[in-house]
Amino acid sequence: ETGVTQTPRHLVMGMTNKKSLKCEQHLGHNAMYWYKQSAKKPLELMFVYNFKEQTENNSVPSRFSPECPNSSHLFLHLHTLQPEDSALYLCASRPRGGLAKNIQYFGAGTRLSVL
Amino acid sequence: DQQVKQNSPSLSVQEGRISILNCDYTNSMFDYFLWYKKYPAEGPTFLISISSIKDKNEDGRFTVFLNKSAKHLSLHIVPSQPGDSAVYFCAASQIQGAQKLVFGQGTRLTINP
Repeated sequence: ETGVTQTPRHLVMGMTNKKSLKCEQHLGHNAMYWYKQSAKKPLELMFVYNFKEQTENNSVPSRFSPECPNSSHLFLHLHTLQPEDSALYLCASRPRGGLAKNIQYFGAGTRLSVL
Repeated sequence: DQQVKQNSPSLSVQEGRISILNCDYTNSMFDYFLWYKKYPAEGPTFLISISSIKDKNEDGRFTVFLNKSAKHLSLHIVPSQPGDSAVYFCAASQIQGAQKLVFGQGTRLTINP
């Protein structure tokens, strides 16, 4: 248990559905991340939020829409996805200061299947 | 262009022996390196890290070595135990800046009894 909780753990959706992934951390961290992990590929950074402000959008298609209402919660809203978007979506957070700020703590991920 | 590479997708080691996982990077601006371990159906878990001012960092059975001139790092696990069977990711970052991690593709380690 790393203190980063993701829900749901598994999600199956059609291409016309709208769904949301949720991430929650109670570690007092101020930065949160969304990553995508496809089969046999490195983790791909999608979005970065610092103190609720988006500081990075790694050329992610607009069918993925992040939301960070506060430092503890992060959402990823999904709409009109494609089958190639099927992947493991991981949320991470990191502390504010010291060398520890380089260490990210991950949730267990949401396994998404788009039919 | 992949900045962090783990060229071995899998590694099989006998229980009790040493496991050595390798990682290469291309960006000379990276100055902080991490290893993560991932079990199936779980997220990556931080294992050990090293900054570029060191060439070795040890934590129990785990030691990370950094060769800056070769842009190469390795993770040594000794002795290897069955519970070490997992996928291991190396990651690199810059201490100053946005604290983004760049990950390798991962190496699946299997420890055989």
